[in-house]
Amino acid sequence: AQSVTQLGSHVSVSEGALVLLRCNYSSSVPPYLFWYVQYPNQGLQLLLKYTTGATLVKGINGFEAEFKKSETSFHLTKPSAHMSDAAEYFCAVRYSGGGADGLTFGKGTHLIIQP
Amino acid sequence: GAGVSQSPRYKVAKRGQDVALRCDPISGHVSLFWYQQALGQGPEFLTYFQNEAQLDKSGLPSDRFFAERPEGSVSTLKIQRTQQEDSAVYLCASSPVKAGTDTQYFGPGTRLTVL
Repeated sequence: AQSVTQLGSHVSVSEGALVLLRCNYSSSVPPYLFWYVQYPNQGLQLLLKYTTGATLVKGINGFEAEFKKSETSFHLTKPSAHMSDAAEYFCAVRYSGGGADGLTFGKGTHLIIQP
Repeated sequence: GAGVSQSPRYKVAKRGQDVALRCDPISGHVSLFWYQQALGQGPEFLTYFQNEAQLDKSGLPSDRFFAERPEGSVSTLKIQRTQQEDSAVYLCASSPVKAGTDTQYFGPGTRLTVL
């Protein structure tokens, strides 16, 4: 079965510090990978996605993620955290081999920014 | 342009009541998805439409859940004889092409509380 694991339900960093949110997936078939952000009472917004090609993907708001097939990981990073980055972050996958058409999401990581 | 809209934003139902949740996707979008997000969890896929055809309903938790998109635009998710475990945020997403690598655009969700 497809699964996505996000390590750490809550991550706290200081403003200006590096943000690292971890995501691992389970699959022998390379999936399509996504990071979404959810602000309170709002829908999910796409930060970035990996489908094919370059494994380092840049997204909006200064975020980037690197697809590492050998580690089955797609960790999200940002060099310098800003107060406005405080939100819930979800990693999601869709498998290219068919099966369910929807995305499979992780449980989410709540990012807290300390002033 | 307008994004995905959902109504109502909040719904309180007594156990056993039927509810109907509406999704207005972005105009012209071919694909429409429904997800269920329980408190503190990531969204879970319920069903997928390509135009008016329901191509995947593998995530619907029981036969009390029914979704339709009769004209290939607006969609309604109906839950019959609601139970307390149905309490969740129901998210709708649309995409301009068939399910695949393309971005899904999410609405703000409908928060259903079953008493």
